[in-house]
Formats: sequence, C-alpha cells, structure tokens
Amino acid sequence: EDQVTQSPEALRLQEGESSSLNCSYTVSGLRGLFWYRQDPGKGPEFLFTLYSAGEEKEKERLKATLTKKESFLHITAPKPEDSATYLCAVQLLYNFNKFYFGSGTKLNVKP
Amino acid sequence: NAGVTQTPKFQVLKTGQSMTLQCAQDMNHNSMYWYRQDPGMGLRLIYYSASEGTTDKGEVPNGYNVSRLNKREFSLRLESAAPSQTSVYFCASSDEGQMNTEAFFGQGTRLTVV
Repeated sequence: EDQVTQSPEALRLQEGESSSLNCSYTVSGLRGLFWYRQDPGKGPEFLFTLYSAGEEKEKERLKATLTKKESFLHITAPKPEDSATYLCAVQLLYNFNKFYFGSGTKLNVKP
Repeated sequence: NAGVTQTPKFQVLKTGQSMTLQCAQDMNHNSMYWYRQDPGMGLRLIYYSASEGTTDKGEVPNGYNVSRLNKREFSLRLESAAPSQTSVYFCASSDEGQMNTEAFFGQGTRLTVV
C-alpha cells in the first residue's frame, strides 16, 4: 500500500535553531517527491520537487534531500516567518495524477 | 496571476442539502484535482481529471460527484451533505507530461455540515 509518513507532527524551534523534518514513504514506484508549505487558512504552496535519490534542492533557509526511502527538509537558522505546516507528497510512477500526501509537520519558530 | 480560483470560500449546509463547489484555473493545465483536508489526516484525493472529458475516482470518492466542464473548470458536487463531509476542500491543477509536474492549489473552501 502506498503511504507517506511525516515526523514530527509538530516542532517548536527558537529563532536560529536549525533542525530537520522527515518524510518517509512506501510506494510501488516513485516519480517525484514534493514539498509544500501551508499557512493557516491558505492552500499549499509549492517549494521543491525531487526526482532521484541523492538529489538536493535549496531555497533560502530550506534544503530538501531525497533517499530511496525518505526525504528531509532541513531548515537552517529559521526565522519566525518560516512558521507554517510543511507537507510532503509523492507522485506515483505509474500514474502521474496520483499524489499521496503526508499529514504534515507544523513548525513554530519563536523569536 | 489568478492561478487556481475556488468558490465559495466558506459554506454552511444542513444535513441533506446539496451544493456545488466551483474551481477554475488559468494555467492551461490538463489535470485537475479535488482534495479534502481533515485535521491529522493530510490531503486526501477525492476525484481527479487527467484531461477534459475524463474523470477518475481517488481515495475517498463516496458521496461526491464531479464534472470537468471544460479545460479550465472542474466542479465538485455534494448531492446530500452529511456531517462527515465537514472539511476543507482544495482544488488543484497540474501539467503532467512536462518536466515540472507539481500541483498548484486554490485557497480552499471551508465547508461545515450541521
């Protein structure tokens, strides 16, 4: 069964305190892994796509990495404006229209 | 840059009432999706449409119907609303077949069924 698990469910950091969010997945075939940011009352906003193990993408304080079983979203020296829920999703190789989402990690960065 | 537009943003229904959620995208994407988001459960796919004129069931299709009216518009209908359908509904679109196939989301419709 295809599934995506994110951990931790919630994470509280002090401003400047770096950490990582985990997304582990079990799928029959992976076409791509996506990271999204979701602010309260808004729709998910696309951050990164990773297609193959060993691939890395960076954007400001965020860096996403991918292995054959999991992905990490590393947050370096976070700021309060990084507070949001971060979602990961996998796209299936045999059906590009199938995206399975994890339940997200709610990040709170305190000043 | 409108992207994906959903209407309405909020709705309260009584059990048994019907309603249609509207979605339109202006990115010329082939694929469109309807998801629901419930606390602790992430986004779950209700229905999707890979192209104009086609629709397919996702993970949780029971109690819903969809119509792909044209390439831009994809609607979700609740024929007889139930309290279990209280949720936040998101429409999304993507352009699979291209290199970048990420989905773009609307702002959501918060639906309460009492």
